[in-house]
Amino acid sequence: DGGITQSPKYLFRKEGQNVTLSCEQNLNHDAMYWYRQDPGQGLRLIYYSQIVNDFQKGDIAEGYSVSREKKESFPLTVTSAQKNPTAFYLCASSIYNEQFFGPGTRLTVL
Amino acid sequence: GNSVTQMEGPVTLSEEAFLTINCTYTATGYPSLFWYVQYPGEGLQLLLKATKADDKGSNKGFEATYRKETTSFHLEKGSVQVSDSAVYFCALSEPPRSGSARQLTFGSGTQLTVLP
Repeated sequence: DGGITQSPKYLFRKEGQNVTLSCEQNLNHDAMYWYRQDPGQGLRLIYYSQIVNDFQKGDIAEGYSVSREKKESFPLTVTSAQKNPTAFYLCASSIYNEQFFGPGTRLTVL
Repeated sequence: GNSVTQMEGPVTLSEEAFLTINCTYTATGYPSLFWYVQYPGEGLQLLLKATKADDKGSNKGFEATYRKETTSFHLEKGSVQVSDSAVYFCALSEPPRSGSARQLTFGSGTQLTVLP
């Protein structure tokens, strides 16, 4: 079955540690995205990538980094520079004007 | 810039009630419009979409009509079920500049709870 997988589903980290969230898709989509969702709020774009080896900052890129070495994979690193990293993180990929979302990773920083 | 405004929740209805969730937008061009649904602890699923004025998107008993004159895309369902309890997001997407990926602009979401 085609789709987007994110792992892990839940992630706990100590303050000051970097952490990497995985996102893999087998839909053969060129574009991929990372969003952050906070309780009671909409989604805010962190980074997006149109093609392999290229990515662009979204609205809230500070404290995050990404790579796009393969078409299928778009990992997100939450660095210690991110002031308030506890949130629900969603990965998406798109074809034409429709985005498909993964199940999300809930990150809690203790 | 683009923006999407949704009616604030939470919305609580009894089973079989009529549902309307209002959504209005601001865009510089001719956007495509979407409704996504998010069940607890999950990602977003596309519920329906419309790509041009007067288009009606429909799925699972939900409908929304792209109204350019009122810049609206209100979500409706004639008879809600307990299983419709979720958060609903309105979103728009405009054609990107050359070389850029198409981006979605989301509303803040509306929590719907349907009671038996």
